Amino acid sequence: AQSVTQPDIHITVSEGASLELRCNYSYGATPYLFWYVQSPGQGLQLLLKYFSGDTLVQGIKGFEAEFKRSQSSFNLRKPSVHWSDAAEYFCAVGAEIYNFNKFYFGSGTKLNVKP
Amino acid sequence: DAGVTQSPTHLIKTRGQHVTLRCSPISGHKSVSWYQQVLGQGPQFIFQYYEKEERGRGNFPDRFSARQFPNYSSELNVNALLLGDSALYLCASTRKGPEAFFGQGTRLTVV
Repeated sequence: AQSVTQPDIHITVSEGASLELRCNYSYGATPYLFWYVQSPGQGLQLLLKYFSGDTLVQGIKGFEAEFKRSQSSFNLRKPSVHWSDAAEYFCAVGAEIYNFNKFYFGSGTKLNVKP
Repeated sequence: DAGVTQSPTHLIKTRGQHVTLRCSPISGHKSVSWYQQVLGQGPQFIFQYYEKEERGRGNFPDRFSARQFPNYSSELNVNALLLGDSALYLCASTRKGPEAFFGQGTRLTVV
């Protein structure tokens, strides 16, 4: 069965420090992988996506993620966190078959940024 | 171009009532999906519609139903509301492939 695990519920980092948010997935085929960010009371904004090709993908706001098939992971990284990055981050696996698409989301990691 | 728009943004309903949530996809997108996000959890898939046909349904009771109109907008209907239906309901539109664009959501509170 498809699933996404985000093992860290809360993470606190200092402004300017590096960040890594973990994501592990279970999926039977080659996955489509996504990271979304959600501010309180808001919808989901796409940070980056992986469909195929280069396993290191760049996204918006200085984020990047690396797909590691052998570890079934798609961790999100940022070299220097800004206070405005405080939000909740969701990893998702997408499936698309004959115009039917469905996302499986992790439970999210809430990021706090210390000044 | 406008993004995915959802209405209303917030609403409060009483247990047992019915609610209708609306979604307009991005222009040119023919697929709309609905997700429920309960506080503290990730979104859960409810429905997907493509070209006005239901393409997929998640593990939700029959109290949940949806439809898509010729202009590709969509409605999500929930009957006999329960307290546990309180959540953020997200609509996503897709043009082709697995990439989805999400709206800001409708916050439903059932009291």
